[in-house]
Amino acid sequence: DVVLTQTPSILSATIGQSVSISCRSSQSLLDSDGNTYLYWFLQRPGQSPQRLIYLVSNLGSGVPNRFSGSGSGTDFTLKISGVEAEDLGVYYCMQATHAPTFGAGTKLELK
Amino acid sequence: EVQLVESGGGLVQPGRSMKLSCAASGFTFSNYGMAWVRQAPTKGLEWVATISYDGSSTYYRDSVKGRFTISRDNAKSTLYLQMNSLRSEDTATYYCTRARFDYWGQGVMVTVSS
Repeated sequence: DVVLTQTPSILSATIGQSVSISCRSSQSLLDSDGNTYLYWFLQRPGQSPQRLIYLVSNLGSGVPNRFSGSGSGTDFTLKISGVEAEDLGVYYCMQATHAPTFGAGTKLELK
Repeated sequence: EVQLVESGGGLVQPGRSMKLSCAASGFTFSNYGMAWVRQAPTKGLEWVATISYDGSSTYYRDSVKGRFTISRDNAKSTLYLQMNSLRSEDTATYYCTRARFDYWGQGVMVTVSS
């Protein structure tokens, strides 16, 4: 199985601060079709996951543009440019190039 | 509006069976692959199974192969997960999602315990 390692596991931020989450894969996520099936999700407390980013850097429908994704191969990053209160929760990266696997999650909390 | 509504969860004894359903609306169900993802209490997300848009292809995580069966009825816009030989480690909230992972249901809890 492909292992996704997310860091940090806990992220403390103030409102307005910019933060980044790293997701490193144990194998390249570049598919033979030329796509890289790397996603980012936010799960707010008591809610279902919400897709933020797909194919590394594409913003999901209705997702604010303070969220951005980047990376290639095995190293990926989610950046939030100016944290807002509604952004608090657990962030997961996921790959679907191989049998889908999720990272362990990064909890974003208020400092 | 896209909606995915899971049902069929509850408490079940180890070794017994349970079937989950996911009723889809707001999109052309037969055009999309679908998947199940689960989350054990206080744990992270775990992919369970995926089915192609027409049901011709199915994929499973190793720990459920031979025990779980994903299926669909496109005429009813409904996705299913038949779970047999259930184990305590299958205890989780099960989410139905489109295979693009863009829409998720509210989840249904399955508890495997004697």
